[in-house]
Amino acid sequence: EDQVTQSPEALRLQEGESSSLNCSYTVSGLRGLFWYRQDPGKGPEFLFTLYSAGEEKEKERLKATLTKKESFLHITAPKPEDSATYLCAVHPPLGGNTPLVFGKGTRLSVIA
Amino acid sequence: DTEVTQTPKHLVMGMTNKKSLKCEQHMGHRAMYWYKQKAKKPPELMFVYSYEKLSINESVPSRFSPECPNSSLLNLHLHALQPEDSALYLCASSQEGAYTEAFFGQGTRLTVV
Repeated sequence: EDQVTQSPEALRLQEGESSSLNCSYTVSGLRGLFWYRQDPGKGPEFLFTLYSAGEEKEKERLKATLTKKESFLHITAPKPEDSATYLCAVHPPLGGNTPLVFGKGTRLSVIA
Repeated sequence: DTEVTQTPKHLVMGMTNKKSLKCEQHMGHRAMYWYKQKAKKPPELMFVYSYEKLSINESVPSRFSPECPNSSLLNLHLHALQPEDSALYLCASSQEGAYTEAFFGQGTRLTVV
C-alpha cells in the first residue's frame, strides 16, 4: 500500500498561472512531511519540512501547507525556471531513524 | 553548509569491471544512505548506515557492496553489474535518531554496457 500519493502526475502551466500540487499520506502518527525539487539528472534539493497540521512554510514563489491527511505545494506566478519534478516524502511509522519514503512525484512544466 | 558531494558524476562500466562510487559530507550527520533512481521514478532506498554501521539493506544484490570508512565518507563498490543496473545513484545524509530532512548529493549517472 502506497504511503504517499502525489497528484497530478504531470502539470503544465503557463508562466504566471498559479496552481497547487497535492501530496496525500496514509501513515499514522506523521513524523514529518518533506518536499523536494528535482531537476533532470540531478539529486533532489530539499525545500520544506512540515511536522504539524496547520503548519505553513514559504520560499519565494512556493508555499507548503499541511493538514491531517495531505499537504499542498502552492506555486504562485510560476516562472519557467520552476519547471522540475516535485517530490513529497514521509518517515514511515517505524521505530528509530527510518529513511524517507517518496511519492512518485509531480512533473511540472512552466511554459513562457 | 548542506552539501553532499558525490564522485564521479558520470560512470560507464562494462559488466566485468569493478568500480566505486564515493560520497562525502561534512555536516556531522551520522546517518547516510544510498538510493537508486530510474528515469521518471522516485528514489528507491538501497542501504542505510548509522554511526558507520550498516543498519538497513533493502535486499540489494551482492554485486553492490557498501562501505562506510568514517563518519564523513560513504562508498558503493560495484562488481559484475548488469545493464539493468544503469541508473542515477544518489547518496544522502541526515541527523541520526531524528525525523529530519535528508540532504542529497547530485548523483552519479551510471551506465552499464
